[in-house]
Amino acid sequence: SQTIHQWPATLVQPVGSPLSLECTVEGTSNPNLYWYRQAAGRGLQLLFYSVGIGQISSEVPQNLSASRPQDRQFILSSKKLLLSDSGFYLCAWSHRRGVSNQPQHFGDGTRLSIL
Amino acid sequence: EDKVVQSPLSLVVHEGDTVTLNCSYEVTNFRSLLWYKQEKKAPTFLFMLTSSGIEKKSGRLSSILDKKELFSILNITATQTGDSAVYLCAVPHGSGNTGKLIFGQGTTLQVKP
Repeated sequence: SQTIHQWPATLVQPVGSPLSLECTVEGTSNPNLYWYRQAAGRGLQLLFYSVGIGQISSEVPQNLSASRPQDRQFILSSKKLLLSDSGFYLCAWSHRRGVSNQPQHFGDGTRLSIL
Repeated sequence: EDKVVQSPLSLVVHEGDTVTLNCSYEVTNFRSLLWYKQEKKAPTFLFMLTSSGIEKKSGRLSSILDKKELFSILNITATQTGDSAVYLCAVPHGSGNTGKLIFGQGTTLQVKP
């Protein structure tokens, strides 16, 4: 069966510091991968998605970037964090084949606080 | 612009009550509608609906889609405290091979003993 791992679970960082959040998927090949941010009391906002290694699409202009160095690894980064980057970050995957009729499956998320 | 709107935003009920959560959508090239339950961390998948009028059911939860009126409802009967969660509705949007979802704001359900 497929599993998704996301770490760390919580992170407290000072303004201006760098960021690296990692997500890996096991038990499937060629998944579509997604990064979301969820503000308190809000729905999920799609930040980035990837349909293959090295293929990253950004959905909203922001201070963050994403990379996919391996098929089942997705990384969310920033060079200098802003206060507005605080939030709950979720990674998700879906099967690529027949993707329009496949649900996404989520990791447990990273709660990021910027001080 | 594609959008998904859920109502109510929050709801407090007592154990044993029945609740109905609403999700309306506007999306180009509708393909499906998904419901998720989010407790502390990861949203977990509940249902995917593609056809109007066909109810999906899992235990005390059920959902139905109306493609003419562009909405879906999620019903929970005989609620329990374990049903307390944020319920999220989402629809795919954009081109078919990306799998991108647009989410509603979520409905926060609190079930009191």
